[in-house]
Amino acid sequence: GIQVEQSPPDLILQEGANSTLRCNFSDSVNNLQWFHQNPWGQLINLFYIPSGTKQNGRLSATTVATERYSLLYISSSQTTDSGVYFCAVNTGGFKTIFGAGTRLFVKA
Amino acid sequence: DVKVTQSSRYLVKRTGEKVFLECVQDMDHENMFWYRQDPGLGLRLIYFSYDVKMKEKGDIPEGYSVSREKKERFSLILESASTNQTSMYLCASSLSGNGGTKAYEQYFGPGTRLTVT
Repeated sequence: GIQVEQSPPDLILQEGANSTLRCNFSDSVNNLQWFHQNPWGQLINLFYIPSGTKQNGRLSATTVATERYSLLYISSSQTTDSGVYFCAVNTGGFKTIFGAGTRLFVKA
Repeated sequence: DVKVTQSSRYLVKRTGEKVFLECVQDMDHENMFWYRQDPGLGLRLIYFSYDVKMKEKGDIPEGYSVSREKKERFSLILESASTNQTSMYLCASSLSGNGGTKAYEQYFGPGTRLTVT
């Protein structure tokens, strides 16, 4: 089955710094989502981005489907950005495959 | 906005008890899912449903059953809870396979942290 790899596994930033999270996938996908899991455990939708580039405030994402990767950019990081970021892909069926996540800690 | 709610944020049950976890979505989504999340194991699919009264096993269905009597509600049942079912349980929903470009976009509830003692 399709493999989803996220890097880095852990990231510590000083407040105000920028960062790039990466998601590689091993096969063609119909969709790709980025989620932020907050400290209380809820998964928050960030982007639905099977291809192209989207921006939402300090966050943006780019998926290059032909090269099988997606990037999540966080600019001017804040302590509230802390948590785990998941990439999840779907190849057309009901099943969604999640990466292992990137754990981000932003220091004040 | 899509809203997915779960009946409890925290739940403590004893071994052998029958446990019901409820999930409700308000966006008329066809598909609903139950996952469990454990440290080091990521999110694993337990069951999903693509229509009322329809269900399919996911990757780890053993020890669980589900019920979907109404479109908006999907229940996860632990027939006889065991300590290895202590976990975070997450419910999700998505539109449908015919929903165009957003067909498979999943929305999650807040999660239920279940402890079985």
